[in-house]
Amino acid sequence: DGGITQSPKYLFRKEGQNVTLSCEQNLNHDAMYWYRQDPGQGLRLIYYSQIVNDFQKGDIAEGYSVSREKKESFPLTVTSAQKNPTAFYLCASSMDRAYEQYFGPGTRLTVT
Amino acid sequence: AQSVTQPDIHITVSEGASLELRCNYSYGATPYLFWYVQSPGQGLQLLLKYFSGDTLVQGIKGFEAEFKRSQSSFNLRKPSVHWSDAAEYFCAVGGAGTASKLTFGTGTRLQVTL
Repeated sequence: DGGITQSPKYLFRKEGQNVTLSCEQNLNHDAMYWYRQDPGQGLRLIYYSQIVNDFQKGDIAEGYSVSREKKESFPLTVTSAQKNPTAFYLCASSMDRAYEQYFGPGTRLTVT
Repeated sequence: AQSVTQPDIHITVSEGASLELRCNYSYGATPYLFWYVQSPGQGLQLLLKYFSGDTLVQGIKGFEAEFKRSQSSFNLRKPSVHWSDAAEYFCAVGGAGTASKLTFGTGTRLQVTL
């Protein structure tokens, strides 16, 4: 069954710690994306990648880092430099950069 | 810069009533337009999309949307709402010239009363 998996669903960390969120897809999509969702603000693009070993900053990349070593995987690291990391994080993928995006179930990160 | 406005933050309708959710966009070329639905704590599911052609597009779960270029709108409609339609709905705009970046609206939360 094709789709996007994100793990874990809930993640708790102490302030000052880096944390990595997993995103895997078996849709054979070229492009992958990370969004952050906060109440009342919709989705904001953090990073995106159109091909392996290449990625671009989105609108709110500060305090985040990504890698794209494999086509099916696009992990997101939330660093200690991110001032307000508590949020719901969504990963998505698309067949090509102009096509519709398909979303994973999300990871809710809480930093205290 | 591209943008999306969903003017209604929260809408309540009775089950069986018709529904229209508004979406206005700003985009410099021919837009690609999308509607997504999100249940609490879940990811987004694509309801329908417009790339070109017929301006009235049909989607899943009985939803449809109409692209009106003159009004820069892409409103979502459903003739008869079911209680299970209660969720948050997001409109998004993108296009071939935007390097795959979709811009999302802030969402409209739909509540359905029985």
